[in-house]
Amino acid sequence: EPEVTQTPSHQVTQMGQEVILRCVPISNHLYFYWYRQILGQKVEFLVSFYNNEISEKSEIFDDQFSVERPDGSNFTLKIRSTKLEDSAMYFCASSFQSSYNSPLHFGNGTRLTVT
Amino acid sequence: SQQGEEDPQALSIQEGENATMNCSYKTSINNLQWYRQNSGRGLVHLILIRSNEREKHSGRLRVTLDTSKKSSSLLITASRAADTASYFCATVVMNRDDKIIFGKGTRLHILP
Repeated sequence: EPEVTQTPSHQVTQMGQEVILRCVPISNHLYFYWYRQILGQKVEFLVSFYNNEISEKSEIFDDQFSVERPDGSNFTLKIRSTKLEDSAMYFCASSFQSSYNSPLHFGNGTRLTVT
Repeated sequence: SQQGEEDPQALSIQEGENATMNCSYKTSINNLQWYRQNSGRGLVHLILIRSNEREKHSGRLRVTLDTSKKSSSLLITASRAADTASYFCATVVMNRDDKIIFGKGTRLHILP
């Protein structure tokens, strides 16, 4: 069964550094999402992406964050200058249709640790 | 309170018993979805119920939706040790299909 893959599984970075989290969504999916989860708590919406542009974003997704689908297969999340509070699990998800009709398929996440 | 709040936060039951988790939300929705998360892993979709549906079944899962009360429940019948996980409801806000909001989840522990 096709799956969403995320790399790396664990990323450690120093405060102020830039990080790029990578995701390969399921190949025929059209909608892409990033979520984060701090310490097994609430799963927080960051951004959704469709047709090569951001369709929705949350208050968390400020100017320090950006997303890109550079080559038609990868979907990346960039954090320009990491803060301690960015430490979390970051999950990528994709769906074939909008969430009105189809569920999200999640990767297993990247654990980001900012020191 | 949050859009999509599960209740209880944690639940421990004996294997074989039924487990019921509830979710409340605040705004009008297109649909509501339930997901499961094993520790340290990604979320796995369980079931989707549309706003015009009242009940849906999938194997040992039964989901109800009451849009007048803005609430949903997930029932797992004849629980098994493998059902131990966190369960999240997720709401798709009306006319905002690309923003799916998750609650804090219910941690379910099935005792042998």
